[in-house]
Amino acid sequence: GAVVSQHPSWVICKSGTSVKIECRSLDFQATTMFWYRQFPKQSLMLMATSNEGSKATYEQGVEKDKFLINHASLTLSTLTVTSAHPEDSSFYICSASDWLAGAHEQYFGPGTRLTVT
Amino acid sequence: QKEVEQNSGPLSVPEGAIASLNCTYSDRGSQSFFWYRQYSGKSPELIMSIYSNGDKEDGRFTAQLNKASQYVSLLIRDSQPSDSATYLCAVNMFSGGYNKLIFGAGTRLAVHP
Repeated sequence: GAVVSQHPSWVICKSGTSVKIECRSLDFQATTMFWYRQFPKQSLMLMATSNEGSKATYEQGVEKDKFLINHASLTLSTLTVTSAHPEDSSFYICSASDWLAGAHEQYFGPGTRLTVT
Repeated sequence: QKEVEQNSGPLSVPEGAIASLNCTYSDRGSQSFFWYRQYSGKSPELIMSIYSNGDKEDGRFTAQLNKASQYVSLLIRDSQPSDSATYLCAVNMFSGGYNKLIFGAGTRLAVHP
C-alpha cells in the first residue's frame, strides 16, 4: 500500500518554457500533498504544501507565481514550473499523506528530474 | 540551531555490524518521528515511524525515541552492503498553521564487505 507515482520521471526543456509534473496517490486518498526540491548532495527542501480543494501554502522564498500547484482531487496534484531557467534544474519529488486519517507519514513519489537547457 | 540535526557522516561499518544513526530535534511539541532511506538518485523511502518514548522494532531496524532529551535514533542490525544509503530523520512540526515534516540533512551510511 501507500504508493505514489510521478510523471514524467525525467524531462528536458528549453529555457523559457513551462513544465508540468503530475503526482498521484494510487491506493489511498491524499488529503495533503507536498512538493520538494533536491539539488545534488543536498537535503530535501520543502517547496509547498497543498490540501485538496484549497490553495497551496508555499515556503518562504518559493515563488508561487513560478511554481504553480494544483491539488484538484484526493489523488492528484500537479506542479507547473513556469518560464523555466537553467537554475530550476533539479530533482522534484512529491509526497502524499492522509492527514484526516491521522496519519502523519509521508509517502514519496519516485521523483522527476528536470533539466532546463 | 537547526530544527533537526544529524551527523552527515559518512558512517562506515563492516558487514554484519550494528549501525547506529542519531538525530536531535528542537521542537518539544513534536509527536511524530520518521526515518527515511534514500539511495543515490532515488526518492526517500519510509522505513520506520515512531510516536512513543522507547523502542520500536521492525526486522533488522529499531527506532528509539526519547522525547525528554529530544533525541531519536535508528539501529540497523546485521548491516548489509545494500543498506548503504543516506538516512534521513524527519520530525513532524506544526508551523504556520499546518503540519509538515522537517528533515535533517541526512547521514550517509557505508557498509563495507
